[in-house]
Amino acid sequence: GNSVTQMEGPVTLSEEAFLTINCTYTATGYPSLFWYVQYPGEGLQLLLKATKADDKGSNKGFEATYRKETTSFHLEKGSVQVSDSAVYFCALYSGSARQLTFGSGTQLTVLP
Amino acid sequence: DVKVTQSSRYLVKRTGEKVFLECVQDMDHENMFWYRQDPGLGLRLIYFSYDVKMKEKGDIPEGYSVSREKKERFSLILESASTNQTSMYLCASRDWTGANEKLFFGSGTQLSVL
Repeated sequence: GNSVTQMEGPVTLSEEAFLTINCTYTATGYPSLFWYVQYPGEGLQLLLKATKADDKGSNKGFEATYRKETTSFHLEKGSVQVSDSAVYFCALYSGSARQLTFGSGTQLTVLP
Repeated sequence: DVKVTQSSRYLVKRTGEKVFLECVQDMDHENMFWYRQDPGLGLRLIYFSYDVKMKEKGDIPEGYSVSREKKERFSLILESASTNQTSMYLCASRDWTGANEKLFFGSGTQLSVL
């Protein structure tokens, strides 16, 4: 079956530090890959996505590249802000499963 | 903007009670989902519905049921609440175009079963 493995948190960084949150996946076929973000007290919202190998998704300074050879979709940001503090979820969509499979989430805290 | 509204932000219930969690979306989406979110486990799919009166079991349907009588409303029912159902419950909807996998989430209901 499909599965998503994220690096465990929590992750604590100082403002302007570089961020990487690792995500690897197992899936049949050619899944689409996503990062969702959940700010405190809110539901999840889509941050970025990539639908095929070597695609790069980007939004709000965050980037992730779909690496088929390493089955990875790591989230990166060059300079984090306090407002980036949230829980980040990696997810995949496989047409055969017809639904999203989520990772366990990574709590990010950015200190001023 | 799509809006997915969950009726309660916080609920406290007693063991054995029947609990209804309501979710309404305003964008005429065909697909709706119920997840529960637990620390270290991420989101787990309980039930989903592709259209009115249709429902399918997700990964953890035991102890839950759902109702979809109208397109905009998807209800999650705990027939007899138990303490292990204390969790954050998230509703989501999706416009099924065959290529759009984006989910829109409500802000969640934190349920405590005592």
